[in-house]
Amino acid sequence: GAVVSQHPSRVICKSGTSVKIECRSLDFQATTMFWYRQFPKKSLMLMATSNEGSKATYEQGVEKDKFLINHASLTLSTLTVTSAHPEDSSFYICSALDTGLAATDTQYFGPGTRLTVL
Amino acid sequence: GNSVTQMEGPVTLSEEAFLTINCTYTATGYPSLFWYVQYPGEGLQLLLKATKADDKGSNKGFEATYRKETTSFHLEKGSVQVSDSAVYFCALSPATGNQFYFGTGTSLTVIP
Repeated sequence: GAVVSQHPSRVICKSGTSVKIECRSLDFQATTMFWYRQFPKKSLMLMATSNEGSKATYEQGVEKDKFLINHASLTLSTLTVTSAHPEDSSFYICSALDTGLAATDTQYFGPGTRLTVL
Repeated sequence: GNSVTQMEGPVTLSEEAFLTINCTYTATGYPSLFWYVQYPGEGLQLLLKATKADDKGSNKGFEATYRKETTSFHLEKGSVQVSDSAVYFCALSPATGNQFYFGTGTSLTVIP
């Protein structure tokens, strides 16, 4: 149980285009999902907290107009990187909290999406 | 504030050696503590967790004990295998709120 999927797993795009990454909780409902960015040999940097049916909460320094987050259902959150540039190339990871669990302190992570912007 | 400090790697061990990866934390109240593992090219997987002082989390031969007095949650394994080669992250979840705080990760390589 507690499986989170991400699609696509790898994407290469041209500079200036937009890329959408999907994060799905496959066997549980997730009111809250998180989006992280991981740089090489670095820890995860929390970008934003995504809440179903409401606006995402962005961390300081993260451009909300560049990284659009939509959490339209209890099992799906999307991250759209708009007008991508080479510096946006990174490994993006989502996680989800299982709403059904009494103690919702464990995040379940997706496998990540490798974005390369040419 | 909340933060996690993790020993820097990389760590290279021979198969069957003893492993310790140190992790200390700063938090208000009583956070939950976690170890996550990331295999090459993959996302993070929960390895073990502890939710209160003196709890011991264990999984796949790995153990970590929640030490409130030393604010530590060191990861240990008595005999590592080549398949344990991965990056290990220590993390905490505060008593209130859902945000996680991660350490910088420790890369472990186990050689035959």
